[in-house]
Amino acid sequence: GENVEQHPSTLSVQEGDSAVIKCTYSDSASNYFPWYKQELGKGPQLIIDIRSNVGEKKDQRIAVTLNKTAKHFSLHITETQPEDSAVYFCAASRSGGATNKLIFGTGTLLAVQP
Amino acid sequence: DSGVTQTPKHLITATGQRVTLRCSPRSGDLSVYWYQQSLDQGLQFLIQYYNGEERAKGNILERFSAQQFPDLHSELNLSSLELGDSALYFCASSTRQGYNEQFFGPGTRLTVL
Repeated sequence: GENVEQHPSTLSVQEGDSAVIKCTYSDSASNYFPWYKQELGKGPQLIIDIRSNVGEKKDQRIAVTLNKTAKHFSLHITETQPEDSAVYFCAASRSGGATNKLIFGTGTLLAVQP
Repeated sequence: DSGVTQTPKHLITATGQRVTLRCSPRSGDLSVYWYQQSLDQGLQFLIQYYNGEERAKGNILERFSAQQFPDLHSELNLSSLELGDSALYFCASSTRQGYNEQFFGPGTRLTVL
């Protein structure tokens, strides 16, 4: 069935360092891969996404890469700041079909130490 | 602020009871999705509506049902509640079918005692 694996489950970095979170998806028909940031007591916030016709996308300090052959995609955060501390979720879905439900990974708790 | 609103923020009830969670999508969004977030199951898709019609069902129990009204707000009805139904319930909306960007509301925390 559809599955998204996410690693690591927890990640602690020093302020200013980079953080990388990796996901693997099982459904080869998936073509849309968003990343969400969830702070305590809040709903998931869309921070960046990538479609299967693109290998990399960057938005200021965050970037996402996609390897369709290996069915891997990753989130890269550079120059981390304490406000980046949160739980990050990757997700995968099929765009353009009858439904575009999101299949989520299990989340990564990122702690940025000042 | 995503523009998606959910009420109530918190709900505490007893086993066997029935509750209704409400969601208002972003202005102009026709699709509404419901997700459940629990410690053991993570974020799980429950059901999707598009312009009033059910589009897809995920791991939604038969005790749960939803609908989307003509003004596009949606309600999730949970009945015969069990302790295991305690979770965060999120609503998300997107512009139209086939466009994936989903924006989540702040959620409703349901506690079943």
